Amino acid sequence: EVQLVQSGAEVKKPGESLKISCKGSGYSFSSYWIGWVRQMPGKGLEWMGIIYPGDSDTRYSPSFQGQVTISADKSISTAYLQWSSLKASDTAMYFCASSMVRGVIAHFDYWGQGTLVTVSS
Amino acid sequence: EIVMTQSPATLSVSPGERATLSCRASQSVSSNLAWYQQKPGQAPRLLIYGASTRATGIPARFSGSGSGTEFTLTISSLQSEDFAVYYCQQYNNWPLYTFGQGTKLEIK
Repeated sequence: EVQLVQSGAEVKKPGESLKISCKGSGYSFSSYWIGWVRQMPGKGLEWMGIIYPGDSDTRYSPSFQGQVTISADKSISTAYLQWSSLKASDTAMYFCASSMVRGVIAHFDYWGQGTLVTVSS
Repeated sequence: EIVMTQSPATLSVSPGERATLSCRASQSVSSNLAWYQQKPGQAPRLLIYGASTRATGIPARFSGSGSGTEFTLTISSLQSEDFAVYYCQQYNNWPLYTFGQGTKLEIK
């Protein structure tokens, strides 16, 4: 069974750094793209970026380029999303999701449960 | 950037009736279109990909159609568990695989 398990909720202050995680199991983690999606409170879904754990090839939506860093450690089947300096506007639910189509970046077949990030002074 | 526009924003339908949700792309996305269902407090779930292929485990009452710029998700006979928010997403035009703003399907 494919599973993506995300790290727990975080409460941070503006200016702090943060790294959240997403651990995959039940499939060949290195062989499929895994991405991140933001959902701000009461809003819709926003595609942030994606990484291929096999070689760490990473692509970002223009809206998120330079704002976050996506990485992965294939040895422990885990992808990461990190911020160097959080803003209040980063408050949102963040989902990881896997695209289970070999060789291409497509739809998201499986999703993590989400990590709620709250940034408040 | 391709803009995905879903209509209506809210759809009120009675259980057992048919629901038709629309998604329009600002330019052609071929058949690279997916539909997701999201219930409150839950992650989205893939329903349809390739505009018309049901994902694993999705009931046959869900169907997708369309290509190019006009797409439709149809739920043939609404069950209580189908009331949720539905999103379309294009994955044709890199580097921004945009989502629509969502349609809330509510009980009439």
